Amino acid sequence: QKEVEQDPGPLSVPEGAIVSLNCTYSNSAFQYFMWYRQYSRKGPELLMYTYSSGNKEDGRFTAQVDKSSKYISLFIRDSQPSDSATYLCAMGEDTGRRALTFGSGTRLQVQP
Amino acid sequence: NAGVMQNPRHLVRRRGQEARLRCSPMKGHSHVYWYRQLPEEGLKFMVYLQKENIIDESGMPKERFSAEFPKEGPSILRIQQVVRGDSAAYFCASSPDDRVDGYTFGSGTRLTVV
Repeated sequence: QKEVEQDPGPLSVPEGAIVSLNCTYSNSAFQYFMWYRQYSRKGPELLMYTYSSGNKEDGRFTAQVDKSSKYISLFIRDSQPSDSATYLCAMGEDTGRRALTFGSGTRLQVQP
Repeated sequence: NAGVMQNPRHLVRRRGQEARLRCSPMKGHSHVYWYRQLPEEGLKFMVYLQKENIIDESGMPKERFSAEFPKEGPSILRIQQVVRGDSAAYFCASSPDDRVDGYTFGSGTRLTVV
């Protein structure tokens, strides 16, 4: 079993739709939760960061962490064709270890 | 303010050759991380370095792989005697401190072993 599970998609939605992306994890030591966006042939760029549980909103993006269920989500409102990319969840431990554990990524296609 | 610079962008090596991947961190960043991404997979941690020190190499294969971050110059990931299974995208990230939310990734080096 992988430490972090993420549905690879692809996920295709019409422009303006609300997108929901999810990851589950098994390591109880994870305290840092991040979402990265990766365009084709580019490096990942950080979208959202949450420490421990709770919600965080930034513009059209909302990140949620439910540690009791070991489940994290990213919501994208009013999706745009420019949101078409692969979305990677990533997690880190609060143990002094600085390595991140990534999900395999969900490919999103927003149709104009 | 240049981002994390990786070169070359693409590298082709024959089996048995050596591959040297370079990473210049962002200005003011003294922490460097290397990750490997296989097709259709997420990024896998390889090594974390600070200037002249390897802090965590728990993700590095035991043989053929090495990394350094000298006092001057870029960080180097070196793969000796490459095999087809080494074909992947190798990403470097840098950060100004050891916070896990401080990473900035480069655009990666795509290694193809023929």
